[in-house]
Order: sequence, then C-alpha cells, then structure tokens
Amino acid sequence: ETAVFQTPNYHVTQVGNEVSFNCKQTLGHDTMYWYKQDSKKLLKIMFSYNNKQLIVNETVPRRFSPQSSDKAHLNLRIKSVEPEDSAVYLCASSLYWASQNTLYFGAGTRLSVL
Amino acid sequence: GQQVQQSPASLVLQEGENAELQCNFSSTATQLQWFYQSPGGSLVSLLSNPSGTKHTGRLTSTTVTKERRSSLHISSSQTTDSGTYLCAIPPSNTNKVVFGTGTRLQVLP
Repeated sequence: ETAVFQTPNYHVTQVGNEVSFNCKQTLGHDTMYWYKQDSKKLLKIMFSYNNKQLIVNETVPRRFSPQSSDKAHLNLRIKSVEPEDSAVYLCASSLYWASQNTLYFGAGTRLSVL
Repeated sequence: GQQVQQSPASLVLQEGENAELQCNFSSTATQLQWFYQSPGGSLVSLLSNPSGTKHTGRLTSTTVTKERRSSLHISSSQTTDSGTYLCAIPPSNTNKVVFGTGTRLQVLP
C-alpha cells in the first residue's frame, strides 16, 4: 500500500537547469527524508525534516535545497544540476525523530542529467 | 561512524532454492531494517528486526545484536524475489539511517 508519493517518476534535463521533485506522505508522520541512491545502489541521506525544521543536513552541495510547506510535504530543489546529480532520489518518512522508527519510502525519482 | 556490510554482493539461484543474505555492522544498533528494492527501483520495507528472530511469509530474519550481524533467509525463492536486498541501521541516538550496499538476488526460472 503506497503512502509516500513522489513526482515525477523520471526527469531528464541538461546541465545548469533547475529541477524540483515533490514528495507527499499520508501517514501522519512527523519526519521526512530525502535520500540519494547512486549507481552502486548505495543510499545516502541528504536531508531530513521534523515538523518543518531541518534536522539533518548532510554535506550536500548548496545547489540542493529542501522545501517543506507542512509536515506531510517535503520537496527537493536542485538549482543548477550537474552531471554527477544523475541518480535516483528517494523520499521517506517515519513516525518520529527516533532511531527505532520504521522508514517508509516512495517509489523514487530518477534524474538523468545530459 | 556506523558501517554496514552486506554479503554476498550478488546471488543467483534457481527457483525453489533458499537464499541466505548477511548484514554486518560496526556499531551498536537498536534497530535494523531489511528492505527490498525491485528492479524498477521501488523500495519497500520487509521487516524490522533489532534482535532475535522474526518471520514473515517466506522470510526469516535473525539478528544477533552482540555479534553485530543479521541474516535474511528467503525460503523457496521465486522469480519475483529478484531484486536488491538492503540492510539499514539507524545509529543510536540519531535518526540518520545507514544503508548497506545491498545484495543483488537473481532467481532463475
């Protein structure tokens, strides 16, 4: 049962363009995340938001910025894409900001930068 | 920081065979989660198992916390089990989650 929704599924763009990915969760969770999955399938956390406050901001390039209007939405904006940004971006949510909570993931957005 | 190693990196089975996947981690963990990622990319949670043994369907996970390892056993594999299996651990006192590099499973008909 899908409860974390991401759009778009795929996006192809050129170097220097701006892109924005959307994520919405209907689980009533307090915390949402963005992960980047590289070509080796390794998942790395980029951001997490707890009640609209940025909790974790790993050392990602400044061209990436999370945007949240409420705790059910967490969008990801890339101001000027680079070739190395090609990856799958996965949105997730968990009930609370705590290590014991299960993560629920969206289907992902695959970005290709030409 | 927490390191998560998975083995084998890839596994090819004939349908009906059992699969045994391993996850080893470097630091104490109060939670451990197994995920399945389909060839199409969707990531789903299979089960959470911080300690002991848990069963769901054809899946059995056994986590030995003191030895910092967990296994995922898939019995009577099916072609639809093909995909990548990821072990994920949130280090204590944080809500970051560290993922292993996964095991790519291919089940042949």
